[in-house]
Amino acid sequence: EAQVTQNPRYLITVTGKKLTVTCSQNMNHEYMSWYRQDPGLGLRQIYYSMNVEVTDKGDVPEGYKVSRKEKRNFPLILESPSPNQTSLYFCASSTTSYGEQFFGPGTRLTVL
Amino acid sequence: GENVEQHPSTLSVQEGDSAVIKCTYSDSASNYFPWYKQELGKRPQLIIDIRSNVGEKKDQRIAVTLNKTAKHFSLHITETQPEDSAVYFCAATITGTASKLTFGTGTRLQVTL
Repeated sequence: EAQVTQNPRYLITVTGKKLTVTCSQNMNHEYMSWYRQDPGLGLRQIYYSMNVEVTDKGDVPEGYKVSRKEKRNFPLILESPSPNQTSLYFCASSTTSYGEQFFGPGTRLTVL
Repeated sequence: GENVEQHPSTLSVQEGDSAVIKCTYSDSASNYFPWYKQELGKRPQLIIDIRSNVGEKKDQRIAVTLNKTAKHFSLHITETQPEDSAVYFCAATITGTASKLTFGTGTRLQVTL
């Protein structure tokens, strides 16, 4: 089954404790991205990757890191989480940057 | 960069009525406009899209219209049903480039019985 998976689905952590949210897709998509969803602000892109080892900042990259060592995986790293990073995070993949985005199930992160 | 504004933020209609959600975009070079639907607790999913070489596209009860001159596009849902209740996001981008999708802020549609 073609899908995008994310883990964990829910995470409660404390300020400053490094965390990684994993994202994996099995559709051989070149383009992957991370979004955060906040009430009233819609979906805002954090980082995106055009292919392996090619990543770039989206609209709200501050406080986040990513890596793309394999085509199927695109982890999101918060090295020192802060409460303003409490949000719902979605990973997405597509064949191109402008093609249909296939979203993962989402990760609800709470930073205390 | 592209900026997409979406209105209204919430919309309540009675079952069977029509619903219209409007978006405006800022970059006249944008030529691809998808709409995503996000049901409660679920992930966004593409429901319909339109390219700038057409003015309207229909798929059963949903349709999208595009006015390039005014730089706005709209989602129309006819004969609304309870399962249409969701958050709808519009987006805009330029195809064939590295441009990313820019999403609107979303419209929460509630269809009441």
